[in-house]
Amino acid sequence: GNSVTQMEGPVTLSEEAFLTINCTYTATGYPSLFWYVQYPGEGLQLLLKATKADDKGSNKGFEATYRKETTSFHLEKGSVQVSDSAVYFCALSNSGGYQKVTFGIGTKLQVIP
Amino acid sequence: DTAVSQTPKYLVTQMGNDKSIKCEQNLGHDTMYWYKQDSKKFLKIMFSYNNKELIINETVPNRFSPKSPDKAHLNLHINSLELGDSAVYFCASWSGSGAGELFFGEGSRLTVL
Repeated sequence: GNSVTQMEGPVTLSEEAFLTINCTYTATGYPSLFWYVQYPGEGLQLLLKATKADDKGSNKGFEATYRKETTSFHLEKGSVQVSDSAVYFCALSNSGGYQKVTFGIGTKLQVIP
Repeated sequence: DTAVSQTPKYLVTQMGNDKSIKCEQNLGHDTMYWYKQDSKKFLKIMFSYNNKELIINETVPNRFSPKSPDKAHLNLHINSLELGDSAVYFCASWSGSGAGELFFGEGSRLTVL
């Protein structure tokens, strides 16, 4: 079945540091890949997505590239801010039929001033 | 207007009780979900309905029973609550396009004493 593996946190960075959160996946077919973010006390919200190999999703300074050869979708940001402190979830959805989204375990990011 | 709204936001109850959580979405989506998030932030799908029809039913105890009176509503009823049921329960709806987006409610934190 489908699965998503992402690095366990927490990740603690100073403001303006470079962020990488690793994510690899196992899936049949051609899944779509997502990063969702959960701010404290809130539900998850979509951060970015990519639907096919070599696509790059980007939003709010975050980027991730769909790498089929390495089955990866690593999240990066060049300069994090305190307001980026949240839990980040890598996810994939199956390519056909009813949509079932599989989430990774979530990586907590804490950015300190 | 909140796109996906859940009630109640907090629920504290005794073991053995029966409780319900309600969810409504005003996005016009056909597919809705219930997810359970444990204390370590792990997110696990429980159920999915497409236009009032159950399409995903993961390995969930029979004490959990979803009900969808119409495609805008998906409720979750839990019988004979146990300590291990304590978690945050998220309702979500799916936008339905090829690589669509999940829209989450704010979550309902259930504490079983």
